[in-house]
Amino acid sequence: KQEVTQIPAALSVPEGENLVLNCSFTDSAIYNLQWFRQDPGKGLTSLLLIQSSQREQTSGRLNASLDKSSGRSTLYIAASQPGDSATYLCAVRGRGYSGGGADGLTFGKGTHLIIQP
Amino acid sequence: ETGVTQSPTHLIKTRGQQVTLRCSSQSGHNTVSWYQQALGQGPQFIFQYYREEENGRGNFPPRFSGLQFPNYSSELNVNALELDDSALYLCASSSRFRGEGTEAFFGQGTRLTVV
Repeated sequence: KQEVTQIPAALSVPEGENLVLNCSFTDSAIYNLQWFRQDPGKGLTSLLLIQSSQREQTSGRLNASLDKSSGRSTLYIAASQPGDSATYLCAVRGRGYSGGGADGLTFGKGTHLIIQP
Repeated sequence: ETGVTQSPTHLIKTRGQQVTLRCSSQSGHNTVSWYQQALGQGPQFIFQYYREEENGRGNFPPRFSGLQFPNYSSELNVNALELDDSALYLCASSSRFRGEGTEAFFGQGTRLTVV
C-alpha cells in the first residue's frame, strides 16, 4: 500500500526566504507526482505535475524535483511572500493495481506554511 | 474553458440520512474522482469513474457510491450517514491517455456536516 509522508508538518519563515518542502513515498511504481496548494476551507490548486519519466518541473518561483528510485520529491519556493501562506500537499498517482489504468491519488498530510511579513 | 464546479458548497445532514453531491468536470476531461478530506488530514481517495464506469476504489464501504454521466459530470451518494462522514468532499477531473492519468484539477469542495 502506497504511503506518502511530508516533512515538515508546519513551517514558519520570514518573507523573502527560500525554502524546501519534502515529500517521500513508499512505492516507486507511480505514473506521476503532483504538488497542490490548499487555502483554509478551500479546494486544491494544482501547482506542478511531474511525470514519472521526468526529474523536475518549474513554474515561476516554484521548482519541484522527483527522484523516483529513492521515493522522494522536493518543492522549492524561491523568495517567499506572505501570499504563499497555505497548506502544500504532495500526491502520487499509482499504476492502477485495482484494475488496469491509473489509480487515484495518494496524498500526504501536507505542510502548513506561514510566511511572516 | 470552465473549471471543476461542485454543488452544494455546504450541507448539513442528520445521522442515518442519505446525501448526493454533484460535480461538473473540466471541459475535455473524461475521468472524475472523489476524495474525502477530514480536518487536518490529506484527502483520501474514494473512487474514480472513467467512461461512466467505476475504475478504481479506495478503502470506503459500499454505502459510498457514484455515477458518471455521458457529459462526464458526476454524483457521489452516501447512504446511512454517520458522524464520521463529516468532512470536505472534493471532486477532481483529469484525462486518461494510454492508461496514464494527466494533471488532476479539483473543485472547491462540498463541506458536509453530519449531526
